[in-house]
Amino acid sequence: GIQVEQSPPDLILQEGANSTLRCNFSDSVNNLQWFHQNPWGQLINLFYIPSGTKQNGRLSATTVATERYSLLYISSSQTTDSGVYFCAVVTGGGNKLTFGTGTQLKVEL
Amino acid sequence: GAVVSQHPSRVICKSGTSVKIECRSLDFQATTMFWYRQFPKQSLMLMATSNEGSKATYEQGVEKDKFLINHASLTLSTLTVTSAHPEDSSFYICSASNQDDNTDTQYFGPGTRLTVL
Repeated sequence: GIQVEQSPPDLILQEGANSTLRCNFSDSVNNLQWFHQNPWGQLINLFYIPSGTKQNGRLSATTVATERYSLLYISSSQTTDSGVYFCAVVTGGGNKLTFGTGTQLKVEL
Repeated sequence: GAVVSQHPSRVICKSGTSVKIECRSLDFQATTMFWYRQFPKQSLMLMATSNEGSKATYEQGVEKDKFLINHASLTLSTLTVTSAHPEDSSFYICSASNQDDNTDTQYFGPGTRLTVL
């Protein structure tokens, strides 16, 4: 099956810093989503982005489908950005999501 | 819009008992719901796909007689962990796709933390 690797696995930032999270996948995809899992376990949809670039406030994402990667940019990070960030992809003709390995982000004051 | 609820949020049970977890789409209809399992500090693993009005499709290695799934309506799917044992302790999360959304975006419930003593 498809492999979805995220980097870095862990990241510590000072409040106000910017960061880039990466998601690499081993096969072509029909769908890619980015999620933030907060400390209570809730997964929050950030982006549906099978290709191209989207922005939402301090967050933006870019997927280069032909090169099999996606990037999530966080600017001016805040402590509330802490948690785990997952990318997840759909391949083939179905609608099942395969989750990446995740990036654990901690934003400190 | 696109809110998914789960109940209960947390359950502690004795070994050998069965536990039912409900997943509801509150403001949309979902012909398909998904059940995931997440161990501490790990990613989400898909357990099964729940289709309204038909049998669930289980992922390889997931025991269908252990994890019973029922999707009786377009807004409700249930997962029953039968004869639970300590190794079943985990965080269970459901998701749902809006049948009117052509992107197949999945929206997730808040999860249920199961502890089997």
